[in-house]
Amino acid sequence: GDSVTQMEGPVTLSEEAFLTINCTYTATGYPSLFWYVQYPGEGLQLLLKATKADDKGSNKGFEATYRKETTSFHLEKGSVQVSDSAVYFCALSDRDSNYQLIWGAGTKLIIKP
Amino acid sequence: SAVISQKPSRDICQRGTSLTIQCQVDSQVTMMFWYRQQPGQSLTLIATANQGSEATYESGFVIDKFPISRPNLTFSTLTVSNMSPEDSSIYLCSVGGGTGHYEQYFGPGTRLTVT
Repeated sequence: GDSVTQMEGPVTLSEEAFLTINCTYTATGYPSLFWYVQYPGEGLQLLLKATKADDKGSNKGFEATYRKETTSFHLEKGSVQVSDSAVYFCALSDRDSNYQLIWGAGTKLIIKP
Repeated sequence: SAVISQKPSRDICQRGTSLTIQCQVDSQVTMMFWYRQQPGQSLTLIATANQGSEATYESGFVIDKFPISRPNLTFSTLTVSNMSPEDSSIYLCSVGGGTGHYEQYFGPGTRLTVT
């Protein structure tokens, strides 16, 4: 079945550092891919999405490109801020998952000033 | 995207009791979902609740323990029955985005502690 693998955390960076959080997936179909963010004490927010190969999702300075050849959807940001400290979840959905979201384990990001 | 609210936002309950969590959406949606998120963990789908039909439960979750109602297209409830400390979690409802790309939008969650 479908699955999502994320790099383990926590990831600790200094403010203004470059961020990459790796995400790879396994799917038999053609999934849509998502990054969600969960700030401390809050629910999940959809950060960005990509629905087909080579699409780039972007929001709030974050980007991720749907790479079908490497089955990856890595999250990047050029200069992180303390306010980016949160847990980031990679997820996919497709017809083979019955349109349910398949979740990665989540990566906790800690940004130090 | 839909605006989703949940009540209560948090609660502390005694073991053996039940708690009903409400999820209200500001627009009509077909698909609603209930998740559990244990501390420091990812999300686990409890059930899918579509209006006009019985909820569909995932493996490991049963209707007697987690009864769900979906009386209309903007509202759903999840009851956590006969609670034990193992039920201490965040419970989240979400709705399908409806764009055909299967994204979901989430409520703020209900933080439940069972003592």
